[in-house]
Amino acid sequence: DQQVKQNSPSLSVQEGRISILNCDYTNSMFDYFLWYKKYPAEGPTFLISISSIKDKNEDGRFTVFLNKSAKHLSLHIVPSQPGDSAVYFCAASVIGGSNYKLTFGKGTLLTVNP
Amino acid sequence: DTAVSQTPKYLVTQMGNDKSIKCEQNLGHDTMYWYKQDSKKFLKIMFSYNNKELIINETVPNRFSPKSPDKAHLNLHINSLELGDSAVYFCASSQGRRLVIADTQYFGPGTRLTVL
Repeated sequence: DQQVKQNSPSLSVQEGRISILNCDYTNSMFDYFLWYKKYPAEGPTFLISISSIKDKNEDGRFTVFLNKSAKHLSLHIVPSQPGDSAVYFCAASVIGGSNYKLTFGKGTLLTVNP
Repeated sequence: DTAVSQTPKYLVTQMGNDKSIKCEQNLGHDTMYWYKQDSKKFLKIMFSYNNKELIINETVPNRFSPKSPDKAHLNLHINSLELGDSAVYFCASSQGRRLVIADTQYFGPGTRLTVL
């Protein structure tokens, strides 16, 4: 039962262009969403997050958009750089529960070509 | 001065053996977690401890026993290892403010366990 889905296992973009990574979720209780970035042989690193009270959060080249009615979020990277090549995980959570946890998607491998 | 560290990084062992993975965080966080990333690449939570108290146990076989000697350490002991236990195990920690605001979790580098 995948509550968080990243339907594109991979994405390839040219350096300087926009990368758009997508994520869908099924659990309407989720109210906080995060993106993590993972390089090979390393642990996931927190990138950016968004609360369900917002529809956009921006941090430098990274912007996350949330469409609650569609249960969809996306991560935009502009401009993309070769160092952005990594696996990107979408994660979702419910704030305030006594057993707070993150539910992760399967990840999307982003390759930024020079 | 690694924030979340795990040892060993790689672990190769035979079926039926017992092994442990250690995790330490120097961030002063109250909550620590164990995640498993299986061959299908899903990162799934196994356990969560807050101030040495178990708060999440996600229907993990009781061959897996976490131990938290203090809030900076969360070790994972696995008895009678099976082929299906082969995976990458990630430790993580967070401040533990989950009742007030969402916590950001910081991950260790992972331990790749291979059971032969």
